[in-house]
Parts: sequence; C-alpha cells; structure tokens
Amino acid sequence: QVTLEESGPGLVKPSETLSLTCTVSDASVSHFYWSWVRQSPGKGLEFIAYTSQSGRTVYSFSFMSRATIALDTSKNQFSLKLRSVGAADTAIYFCAKMKQTTSWSTPYGMDVWGQGTMVTVSS
Amino acid sequence: IQMTQSPSTLSASVGDRVTITCRASETTTNWLAWYQHKPGKAPRLLIYETSTLESGVPSRFSGSGSGTEFTLTISRLQPDDFATYYCQHYTTYSLTFGGGTKVEMK
Repeated sequence: QVTLEESGPGLVKPSETLSLTCTVSDASVSHFYWSWVRQSPGKGLEFIAYTSQSGRTVYSFSFMSRATIALDTSKNQFSLKLRSVGAADTAIYFCAKMKQTTSWSTPYGMDVWGQGTMVTVSS
Repeated sequence: IQMTQSPSTLSASVGDRVTITCRASETTTNWLAWYQHKPGKAPRLLIYETSTLESGVPSRFSGSGSGTEFTLTISRLQPDDFATYYCQHYTTYSLTFGGGTKVEMK
C-alpha cells in the first residue's frame, strides 16, 4: 500500500522560502506523477504542481513564477519550494500520487494522498 | 479554464438524490474528475473522465456531462457521504479544481 508523508517547518517568515518534502513508501518516485495541492483556511483545494521522472512538469499558472517541484530518486522523495511567501500562503499542504489510464497518458487525478501538513506564514 | 461549482452548500437527508454541477468557462473535453473531502482527512478520488468510477467507489456515485456542464450525482445519500465535493478539470498543461460543494445534513 502506497503511503505518502509530508514534512517541513510549520512556520515560515514572510518573504522567505517554504520548503516541503514528501516521503514515498511502497512505490518508486521514478514511476508515476507526483503532485502538491494546498488548502487555505476556509477555502477549497488548490493545485500547485506535478512532475515525473520523465521531466514533464506542470505548474498552476498561479504558482509558476515562484514554485519549484523536484524529485529525489536517491531518497524516494519529492519536494516543493515556494519562494517569497506571504500570509496568503498559510495553508495545509498535501502531497499526492497521480494516476493515469496508461503509462503515457496525461495524469487525470490524485489517487493517494498524504495527510497534509499545516504551514503558517507569520513573523 | 475556470471551473465553477454549484451550489456551494447543499442541505440534504439520508436517502436523497443529490446532484452537484460543475461548469467550465469554455467548452472542454471530458477530462473531468470528482473528489470527496472530509475535514482532517485526505481527499478521495471518486470519478475520472467524467463518468468512470475509481475502484472501490460505491455505485450510488455517478458522473455525467459534456461541453461546459458536468454533474456528480449521488443516487441515495448515505451517512458517510456528508462531505465537501470538488470537481477537477485537467488538460495536458493544466489542472484546476472547482470551488467545492459542501453536502450537509438537513
């Protein structure tokens, strides 16, 4: 059973970089697509980015200029860096595995999720 | 493409038929998925490609639609179904969630 676990600081200062890691168990990050989604307090789900070992990466237009998603195959992890954070970036951040109908098709959704990690941006 | 869900909140009773609508800002493909999300838990993928149920999802859930309008229907609402539901549109270069519909107890 594939499991994902997010880790990272729960508190980040404004203008700094938020860095999160997702550790994957019982699956290799060299396979599948891997993603980040967040949920701000009282708001809905918001897609940030996804990537795969093939190098194909998609960012939400809203995060394109300040987010970086990356795989670390040696540790079987993937990460998110979000630069120049502000109070609006306070949210629960989820990492998730994505699913495809075939190995070459566009990923259609997130089928395995971490429990989420709360990040607060405050001085 | 922007995805707009309606209603934002829906009050219903166990046994009710529930329909949630997701409208796209422009005509799109059937690359539309639905999730169920409960507080403190991870979202659950229910449906993809508009109408295909994920493995293990009860058959009371169904999806339909085309063009700009898509729907999620729960044929007979069960106690475990009270949650927030999100549509999610995807293309080869983007992925967008709708704003969510909270299904609450009447």
